[in-house]
Amino acid sequence: EVQLVESGGGLVQPGRSMKLSCAASGFTFNNYDMAWVCQAPKKGLEWVATISYDGSSTYYRDSVKGRFTISRDNAKSTLYLQMDSLRSEDTATYYCARLSGVLNWFAYWGQGTLVTVSS
Amino acid sequence: DIQMTQSPPSLSASLGDKVTITCQASQNINKYIAWYQQKPGKAPRQLIRYTSTLVSGTPSRFSGSGSGRDYSFSISNVESEDIASYYCLQYDNLWTFGGGTKLELK
Repeated sequence: EVQLVESGGGLVQPGRSMKLSCAASGFTFNNYDMAWVCQAPKKGLEWVATISYDGSSTYYRDSVKGRFTISRDNAKSTLYLQMDSLRSEDTATYYCARLSGVLNWFAYWGQGTLVTVSS
Repeated sequence: DIQMTQSPPSLSASLGDKVTITCQASQNINKYIAWYQQKPGKAPRQLIRYTSTLVSGTPSRFSGSGSGRDYSFSISNVESEDIASYYCLQYDNLWTFGGGTKLELK
């Protein structure tokens, strides 16, 4: 059974940094691209970033380019999201997602971790 | 960037009704659209991929269609467990979600 478990969320001040983790199990982690998707309170879903199966390629939505960094450790089956220069508008639940492996939609999701950016 | 315009933002239905949600892309997305269901406090759940292919476990009352820029998602015979929000996702060029549709009981 595919399991994705996010951690690392919480309250952080504007301008500070936070690093999210996503522990994966139930599949061969280094065979799949992975992504982060966020959802602001009572708002819709927004794609944040994607990393290829081997970490060689990364993709970001415009609003986080230069501030967020997606990475992975295939030996630990763990996905990361380093978030720097956080803004109040980054407040959201962040979901880790495994892509499908073929044609690449978001096939499996974690339960999410809430990041609140506030002074 | 591809934009996805989803409508309506909210929908009220009675049990047994058929409801339809539409998504229009800002350019041709070659049928690379998926649909998700999300219940409050829960992660999204995939229902349909590649316009009309039901994901394993998706009830047959759910369906999808479309091509080019215009796509639709339908639920026939709405059941109480279908009360949720629904999102489209284009994955032809990077990834973009529609704004969502909240389905409520009339």
